[in-house]
Amino acid sequence: EIVLTQSPATLSLSPGESATLSCRASQSIHNYLAWYQQKPGQAPRLLIYDASTRAAGIPARFSGSGSGTDFTLTISNLEPEDFAVYYCQQGSNWPPYTFGQGTKLEIK
Amino acid sequence: QVQLQESGPGLVEPSGTLSLTCAVSGGSISSTNWWSWVRQSPGKGLEYIGEIYQSGSTNYNPSLKTRIIISVDKSKNQFSLTMRSVTAADTAVYYCARRSWGRNYVESWGQGTLVAVSS
Repeated sequence: EIVLTQSPATLSLSPGESATLSCRASQSIHNYLAWYQQKPGQAPRLLIYDASTRAAGIPARFSGSGSGTDFTLTISNLEPEDFAVYYCQQGSNWPPYTFGQGTKLEIK
Repeated sequence: QVQLQESGPGLVEPSGTLSLTCAVSGGSISSTNWWSWVRQSPGKGLEYIGEIYQSGSTNYNPSLKTRIIISVDKSKNQFSLTMRSVTAADTAVYYCARRSWGRNYVESWGQGTLVAVSS
């Protein structure tokens, strides 16, 4: 099973700043990585797939990069609605697809 | 836009059987999608349980494989999860979800349903 490690666990920033979230895989997953956003009481929402492709309706301030084992989600010019928990998920190796433990982006 | 809605008991007794159903609306369950179950608990985070294709082909998480069955009911446009011999560790929010054929990520999710295992 591929293990995904996200860092940091918590990131405290202010609106208008930029956020950089990391996801590291225990072995190469090529570019088969997705990012999700989850707000309290809601299901996760797909942001990025194939490491760098934004899902439909996702603002351009969200961008993804990386390949192999190291991946980054960057959120530029943070808006108040961006403060949430972010998860990465690998789609390289089934079974099973696995998720990272999450990064909480909180308002400083 | 395909929408998903979970239903089922919110409380299951230890050693009992958990049964959930996901109703699919706005599209056919016979379309080219994998219909999935994902759960989320404080202790284990997000965990992919398994999935089924409209043909009946399934993929199960090896850690749960001996206890689960995922099935599809085309006449009702829904799919189901059955998990036997549950323990407190199975307490979680259970989501049904959709993954398109050829894609390796979840494109849409149900709202989730909390299932507690307790006597």
